[in-house]
This record gives sequence, C-alpha cells and structure tokens, in this order.
Amino acid sequence: RKEVEQDPGPFNVPEGATVAFNCTYSNSASQSFFWYRQDCRKEPKLLMSVYSSGNEDGRFTAQLNRASQYISLLIRDSKLSDSATYLCVVNILSTSGTYKYIFGTGTRLKVLA
Amino acid sequence: DTAVSQTPKYLVTQMGNDKSIKCEQNLGHDTMYWYKQDSKKFLKIMFSYNNKELIINETVPNRFSPKSPDKAHLNLHINSLELGDSAVYFCASSQAPSQGRGEAFFGQGTRLTVV
Repeated sequence: RKEVEQDPGPFNVPEGATVAFNCTYSNSASQSFFWYRQDCRKEPKLLMSVYSSGNEDGRFTAQLNRASQYISLLIRDSKLSDSATYLCVVNILSTSGTYKYIFGTGTRLKVLA
Repeated sequence: DTAVSQTPKYLVTQMGNDKSIKCEQNLGHDTMYWYKQDSKKFLKIMFSYNNKELIINETVPNRFSPKSPDKAHLNLHINSLELGDSAVYFCASSQAPSQGRGEAFFGQGTRLTVV
C-alpha cells in the first residue's frame, strides 16, 4: 500500500462548480498534512496546511480525519485558474527518527469554461 | 528575492557524463531535500540534510552524491548518467521537520535530459 494515495483524476469540471479531492495515508503517526498545488512545468507550492479542526481559506476548505486517515480538499466556485495538479502531502516520521514529506501522486483538475 | 533557487534550470547531457545541480536557500531553514519527479509526475524524496548532516537517504543509487557545504546549500552530483535519470529534480527546504511542523518550500526544478 502506498504511504499516501490520491485519485489521479483528471477531474474535468465547469467553472463555478464545487469539486472535492480525497487523500488517504497509511502511517497513523503522521504529524502534519498539507495540500500543494503544482502547475505544469512548475514547482509545487503550498496551497494550505490541514489542521485537525479543519480550516478554510477563501474558496478552499481542508479537512482531516485522523480516525479514518484521510484528508480532503474542497474547492468552491471553481475558476479557470484553479486548473492544476493538487498534491496531498503528509509529514511522516522516518526510520532515522526525523520527519520527511511524502507526496501523493497528485490529482489533476481541469476547470472548463 | 527567490527563497529556494537551483541551477541550472535545464540540463541536457549524454549518457555516461557527470553533472552537478546546485541549490541554495535564503530562508534560514535547517533542513534541505532533493526530490525527483519522474515522467509520471510522481515526486519522490531522495535525500534530506539537516544542518549539513545527511539524515535521509532513500536507497538512491550511489552514483548520486549530495553535498552540503553549509546549511544554506545542498548540491547534487550525479556520476555516469543513465537514460533513466532523466527527470525533474527539485530542491526544497523546511524549518523544524523534526517537530513534524512547517511546510516545505521548493526551488523551480532542474529538468535533466540524458540522451
């Protein structure tokens, strides 16, 4: 089982739609959780951290369910500029005793005019 | 002012050559990483250094040798390049990963093509 799993998509949605992505992780000792966005041929950039109580940033809402070991990202009122790959990232304790960032394979989103 | 910068941005080279990629961060972070993103777009960690000390080595072939002269720099040297090494290599840095907190910041990536 992969450490972090995501549906690769693509998700093709019309402008204005609401779209949700899920991500599951296997290591119950994972400490921190993030959603990153990666545009074509660019570096990953932090979209938002995911807090235990859930958090919102404008049109974006992130949720964490530790019991079921999944993270979600909800995008409301999709814009054309939201088209990108969304990467689920988990900070996991490595065998060396330090943490490392594990990336999911990413979910491609295409918002259509 | 770029936070994490890596050079070169593009690198095309022949099989068997040796090449280096440089990375510098001006964020004052203690930890730096090298990630490889293959043709399927999967980002996989290769190495991590904390304050110049190697802390993670994810069973990368020993043709890949990272070097950290100081905590703001992490370079990657690759010997005897192979076709399968073609990928985008990203450098990243973060603060306090041992605490399990803080996000990672990425450089722009180096697109390596081995011909």
